[in-house]
This record gives sequence, structure tokens and C-alpha cells, in this order.
Amino acid sequence: DAGVIQSPRHEVTEMGQEVTLRCKPISGHNSLFWYRQTMMRGLELLIYFNNNVPIDDSGMPEDRFSAKMPNASFSTLKIQPSEPRDSAVYFCASSSYVDWGNEQFFGPGTRLTVL
Amino acid sequence: TQLLEQSPQFLSIQEGENLTVYCNSSSVFSSLQWYRQEPGEGPVLLVTVVTGGEVKKLKRLTFQFGDARKDSSLHITAAQPGDTGLYLCAGAVSGGSNYKLTFGKGTLLTVNP
Repeated sequence: DAGVIQSPRHEVTEMGQEVTLRCKPISGHNSLFWYRQTMMRGLELLIYFNNNVPIDDSGMPEDRFSAKMPNASFSTLKIQPSEPRDSAVYFCASSSYVDWGNEQFFGPGTRLTVL
Repeated sequence: TQLLEQSPQFLSIQEGENLTVYCNSSSVFSSLQWYRQEPGEGPVLLVTVVTGGEVKKLKRLTFQFGDARKDSSLHITAAQPGDTGLYLCAGAVSGGSNYKLTFGKGTLLTVNP
């Protein structure tokens, strides 16, 4: 298995532009998580899906952020409009079953820089 | 909001030394996981502890879950340069069929040859 795939790996954009991050989870996993990592705040959960349905989006910073999972093999995280404070590494992770301490498999991340 | 405090934040030691890093919270967790993250990569799971007082060993790494399931420690014996990385603890809170992880900010370990 190729693991969790994220694209792009790096994104540099200007303030006000729309940014779309993409994730392909591991085949067969039914849970998908979007995280953001910064030095100041560490690794923060933004939103997670079970069976393609958003379960908890309380970590989404504001309305500029949105996430979709149209099918079991694809998810997007969109920021519109982007701001410099959105600069961070964004990780997607997937898990096989929502249970006590099931392992989450992380992708390599997308490093986003908003100028 | 469940918060996990990790200490120390940074640790630089020489190869062969022993070390312990800590993960503390005022909240009770269903289980606790330890991940290691290397530069440019996502975190990778090392271990999951579920029962209060549980001790798990992974080669030179020893993980312990506190009796009250609020804290955990990771002890590394005879550290090697390959142990260098960011060590993250994550507490799981389960509600019905759903759960999510709350991560600490991590301990950045550097093992010098």
C-alpha cells in the first residue's frame, strides 16, 4: 500500500488566494482526519470524517476553512481566502476503525506558505 | 478541552545516555498513544497504552501509562542517533463510535554521536 497520499507537498501563495489541499486515504480505512501543525500550537485536529460524513469540525478555525469528502478515497481542505497566519504544515491521516486507540496513519503533509 | 503538556520541550543528549520524557494532563483519557515524527514526514505510531499502570516495551523504549490514566512517560535506554525526532503523545477520548486524538506539542530529542 502506498500509504496516505497528500498533494501538493509544498504550496506558496499570496494572501487572498484560494488554496486547495488534497488527500487520498489508505484503501479500506473508514476515518479521515485533517490536522494543522505549527511551532506555536503543535498538532491541532481541524476536522474528521467517519464513512465520508463530517463528525467533528470544531477545530476548523473559521469560515474561511472548509473540508469535503465526496467519496471514500478522496478528501479536500480548502482555504478561501488565505491569510499569512494560515501558514503551517497540514496533515491528513486515516484510520481503519474508530475504536480505542486505533493507529492513525499520517501522510507526509503539505507545507503551506501564505505571503 | 483536554490539554496534554509534554516536558521537556527540547532535549539534547549524547549517544548512550538514558532519558525520560513526560506527558501530563488533568484529564482522563481512554487510551494514550506515542508517536515519533522525523523532519519532513508525518508522525508514526510507536505504541498505544490503554490500561492504567500499563507498561509496554519496544526494544530500548519503555512506555508507562499512569494509574489514573492522566499521564504517561517514555524512557529510552542507551539512546542512539537514530532516536532523534519529535516525540508526541496523544490522548484518545471516545464517545460512542467516534473518537479523536488530542496531541501534546512534543519533545524534540536530539541524540548526538
